[in-house]
Amino acid sequence: AQRVTQPEKLLSVFKGAPVELKCNYSYSGSPELFWYVQYSRQRLQLLLRHISRESIKGFTADLNKGETSFHLKKPFAQEEDSAMYYCALSGGSYIPTFGRGTSLIVHP
Amino acid sequence: DTGVSQNPRHKITKRGQNVTFRCDPISEHNRLYWYRQTLGQGPEFLTYFQNEAQLEKSRLLSDRFSAERPKGSFSTLEIQRTEQGDSAMYLCASSLGDRGRTDTQYFGPGTRLTVL
Repeated sequence: AQRVTQPEKLLSVFKGAPVELKCNYSYSGSPELFWYVQYSRQRLQLLLRHISRESIKGFTADLNKGETSFHLKKPFAQEEDSAMYYCALSGGSYIPTFGRGTSLIVHP
Repeated sequence: DTGVSQNPRHKITKRGQNVTFRCDPISEHNRLYWYRQTLGQGPEFLTYFQNEAQLEKSRLLSDRFSAERPKGSFSTLEIQRTEQGDSAMYLCASSLGDRGRTDTQYFGPGTRLTVL
């Protein structure tokens, strides 16, 4: 079975502060991990995936197999980063399991 | 708009009625997914198609739920004898499906179902 845990329902920071959205997973095999984002009144969209090892909109995420984590980080938050963020895991079946999401609010 | 489209965007129905939702994927995409999302939760996988073949349907919530993709293009999700617990957002997503690994899914805007 595969499970994704996002422990924070809400994360509130001020503009310019560092951001870390936590994601822990449970999966016995080799997982694929993703972060999806949903801005207000927009559809859910892929932000980044661990195999790409890229930075998108200043966000990065490193897969830590020892800690079974895939935390999303950004050194300096911007107001336009305010959104719902979902961590997702896919095992060998290509079917993703989503976490419950973390709402990020960046205050001016 | 060349993205994934879903119709209707909102559906209000009475308990016991049948409802059908439609999803039109991005035209060249082979895979099509259906999810349900309830308040405060992430999307919950229901079923998916590779072209017209339904490859996974064991996670459909009950035998009242069924999905089709008759010609490998658009798909429909039907819920029979709706219950109040079926009230949720129903999301559709599509992907190219030409890779051995999980490929990027593109989501539609969703259909919000309210069962009275």
